[in-house]
Amino acid sequence: NAGVMQNPRHLVRRRGQEARLRCSPMKGHSHVYWYRQLPEEGLKFMVYLQKENIIDESGMPKERFSAEFPKEGPSILRIQQVVRGDSAAYFCASSPRTSGGDVQETQYFGPGTRLLVL
Amino acid sequence: KQEVTQIPAALSVPEGENLVLNCSFTDSAIYNLQWFRQDPGKGLTSLLLIQSSQREQTSGRLNASLDKSSGRSTLYIAASQPGDSATYLCAGAAGNKLTFGGGTRVLVKP
Repeated sequence: NAGVMQNPRHLVRRRGQEARLRCSPMKGHSHVYWYRQLPEEGLKFMVYLQKENIIDESGMPKERFSAEFPKEGPSILRIQQVVRGDSAAYFCASSPRTSGGDVQETQYFGPGTRLLVL
Repeated sequence: KQEVTQIPAALSVPEGENLVLNCSFTDSAIYNLQWFRQDPGKGLTSLLLIQSSQREQTSGRLNASLDKSSGRSTLYIAASQPGDSATYLCAGAAGNKLTFGGGTRVLVKP
């Protein structure tokens, strides 16, 4: 059973470009979470998605950031018009939680995508 | 708003010594407390998950305790090895998200 897959592992963008980060959850997991780890800071929650639905985006910046988890294919975190402050490690996690409600299952993390904005 | 703190931020011990890592959280209304390990440039590996109704969990040389009333969790690693060198993160789960502490960076010297 493959773990959570993220690609690319490293991404370099110039200011103003778009960044697309992909996450394939573990097999059988239908819940995806994105976290951001800024340099010298802890991980911060960004967004929680189920298939075709955004459940909680309270940690997502209001502008330039968007996330989706389509019926088919990976979850995508999209950052438009990147700025230097977006440079960070972006981690995706998935869980097998099947009932609505709170986080009671372990979240399994991918290796992360390290975004560098020049 | 949940805040999670880990002290110390860094710890260096000789091989064979037991490790004690501390985690405190401000909101006792958590559903579980998780401990993770992060190696440089890598993702997070889940070590232990303690449900809010439990007081401790054990896995091999690792033991984690949870005291909701005092807002504390402790991770014990017995007989440390150089391979235990990593950053250890605790995270409190509530609602749909994990709230992470800043981590404790551990170095076990051979």
